[in-house]
Amino acid sequence: AQSVTQLDSQVPVFEEAPVELRCNYSSSVSVYLFWYVQYPNQGLQLLLKYLSGSTLVESINGFEAEFNKSQTSFHLRKPSVHISDTAEYFCAVSESGSARQLTFGSGTQLTVLP
Amino acid sequence: NAGVTQTPKFRVLKTGQSMTLLCAQDMNHEYMYWYRQDPGMGLRLIHYSVGEGTTAKGEVPDGYNVSRLKKQNFLLGLESAAPSQTSVYFCASFGTQALWEQYFGPGTRLTVT
Repeated sequence: AQSVTQLDSQVPVFEEAPVELRCNYSSSVSVYLFWYVQYPNQGLQLLLKYLSGSTLVESINGFEAEFNKSQTSFHLRKPSVHISDTAEYFCAVSESGSARQLTFGSGTQLTVLP
Repeated sequence: NAGVTQTPKFRVLKTGQSMTLLCAQDMNHEYMYWYRQDPGMGLRLIHYSVGEGTTAKGEVPDGYNVSRLKKQNFLLGLESAAPSQTSVYFCASFGTQALWEQYFGPGTRLTVT
C-alpha cells in the first residue's frame, strides 16, 4: 500500500524568503505525485503534478517540485514567498493502474510572516 | 460550469441520526470520490466510484454508504451518526481527459454531538 509523509506540520517563514516543504512517499509500483493547496475554508486546488518526463515540475505562481525516485521524495520549493502563499499544502500520490484515488500526506501549514 | 458542488455546507447532527450528503459535478467525469479531512491527518478516502452504478470502499469506509445512480451525482450516507464522524467532507471528481487532476468541491462541515 502507498503512503505519504510530510515531515513538517507547520512552516513559518518571512515574506520574500525561500521555502521548502518536504514530502516522502512509499509505494511498490510506479506512482504519480501531486501537490494540492488549500486556502482557509476552501476546497483543494491542484498546484502541480508529476506524471512522467522531466523530474522538475513548475506551477504558474512560482512553486516547483522535483521528483527524486532514489530518495522517494517530491519536495515543494519556492525561492521567494508572498503573504498570499499562506495556506495548507498537501502532498498526494496515486499509483499507476489504480482507480486514480489519491493518498494524501497529513499536510503542512505554511505561514508567511510580514 | 459550476464544477463540483456539495450540499449542505454545514450540518449538526445528534448521535444516532442519519443524513445524506450530495455531491454533483457537471463536467461529465467518470470517477467520483468522497474524502474526510481531520486535523493532522490530511484527507482520507471513504468511498469512490469509477462509473455510474459502481462503488468501492476506500481507506475508511465503516459507518458510511454511497450510491451513484446518476453519473453526475455521488451520495454519501450516514445511517447512524457518531461523534467520530465529526469532520469536513470533500467530494472530488476526475475525468479521463483531465490529465490526472481531481476537482474538489468546497466541503461540508459536519458536527455530531
